[in-house]
Amino acid sequence: DTEVTQTPKHLVMGMTNKKSLKCEQHMGHRAMYWYKQKAKKPPELMFVYSYEKLSINESVPSRFSPECPNSSLLNLHLHALQPEDSALYLCASSHRGTQYFGPGTRLLVL
Amino acid sequence: QKEVEQDPGPLSVPEGAIVSLNCTYSNSAFQYFMWYRQYSRKGPELLMYTYSSGNKEDGRFTAQVDKSSKYISLFIRDSQPSDSATYLCAMIAGYSSASKIIFGSGTRLSIRP
Repeated sequence: DTEVTQTPKHLVMGMTNKKSLKCEQHMGHRAMYWYKQKAKKPPELMFVYSYEKLSINESVPSRFSPECPNSSLLNLHLHALQPEDSALYLCASSHRGTQYFGPGTRLLVL
Repeated sequence: QKEVEQDPGPLSVPEGAIVSLNCTYSNSAFQYFMWYRQYSRKGPELLMYTYSSGNKEDGRFTAQVDKSSKYISLFIRDSQPSDSATYLCAMIAGYSSASKIIFGSGTRLSIRP
């Protein structure tokens, strides 16, 4: 089973809202990732968690706040987003360098 | 110069043709090479991964890595309309659990029925 699940599939939020994206994997992978993907572009790395600790933050604005409650779960908390933050948000987990992606959450910020 | 170069296409071929997708790279430390397929508005799906130089075959798909030339390829035989998608090459230097993957820009492929 190489499944990474993400909820919700779609999200529309206003610039003053607070929302969270959720990601789950049960493959025993100890690294999990958040990516942002704009149309016709490759995924752009945001955060990496390794063994439930934040190991890479690619200078992401503080309105994005990641959280790793346990080895299977990854959250991305969103607050005061801007319209330019509208994108597909992808979660991934990895084993021996190979990353497996979830289906993504399509976020629209109004 | 980007670490990974990939022709964005679009590439349009008739059904049944052999498709060749390619990437070049500059970092000789890359050891793991992957191809992802991404349908519109979906997450990337891992198609193939290879370690170091050589070939790997899986059904209609063959991945080739030539480390001496810093060149990787994905071949699709007997292409089908369902193969129409964006194909992303990706590579990584090590396999520590938090290694950064470097993506190509993606090639948009269209298979004409």
